Amino acid sequence: DAKTTQPPSMDCAEGRAANLPCNHSTISGNEYVYWYRQIHSQGPQYIIHGLKNNETNEMASLIITEDRKSSTLILPHATLRDTAVYYCIVRVARGNNRLAFGKGNQVVVIP
Amino acid sequence: KAGVTQTPRYLIKTRGQQVTLSCSPISGHRSVSWYQQTPGQGLQFLFEYFSETQRNKGNFPGRFSGRQFSNSRSEMNVSTLELGDSALYLCASSLGAGLTGELFFGEGSRLTVL
Repeated sequence: DAKTTQPPSMDCAEGRAANLPCNHSTISGNEYVYWYRQIHSQGPQYIIHGLKNNETNEMASLIITEDRKSSTLILPHATLRDTAVYYCIVRVARGNNRLAFGKGNQVVVIP
Repeated sequence: KAGVTQTPRYLIKTRGQQVTLSCSPISGHRSVSWYQQTPGQGLQFLFEYFSETQRNKGNFPGRFSGRQFSNSRSEMNVSTLELGDSALYLCASSLGAGLTGELFFGEGSRLTVL
C-alpha cells in the first residue's frame, strides 16, 4: 500500500469547515483513498473513500486532486464530537483487509 | 442495524495466563479481521478470517491464534500472556474478504497484563 503523509495535528473552530490534507504521491492507479477516524478509546470509524472523483456522504466530503497525489477530507460543520485522530490510508479495494494506520492527524475542534 | 460487538470490553490478566476475546460481526458480514493497538506500535494487523478460513496472518508469535465460526462470529486467543500484550484489541468486519476496504470496527477489548 502507498504511504501517506498527514500533519500530526491541527485545530479547527466549531461550526466551521475543517479541511484535513493528505499527501499520497506514490499512489497506484488501482489504489483508493480511505479515511477513518478514531475518537479516544473507541474503535476506528470508517468515514469515506474514493478513487478519482470527489465523494460526499453524510459525514464528510473527499476531494482528490486530478493527479491523485493528494486529497482533502472536509468536515463541513465541525462539532466538538469531531475531535479525533484522522487517518488517511491508500490501498487497493480488492485485496486483503490487512489495514495499516500511520500516526494520523490529531484534530481538535475548539469551541 | 447492530454494529460490531466485542466482549469483554475490559479485562485484567496476569503473566502466563491465557485470554479469549470474542467478536460478533455486523449481520451479513463474512469477513472478520483482528488488530492490536498500542501507543508505541499503533495499529497492527493480527489475522483475517473469511468463511471460517484464515486468509492472512500478521507478524505475531504463535501465542496469538484465532478462529471463525459458521455464523461468522470470531474469537482470538492469546496464551502465555506477557506484559507487552497489554493493548486494545480491535475486531473489524466487512461484507467479504477483499470486496471493499470499508471496514467496520468494534469498540475493542482492552487487555491489561499485570
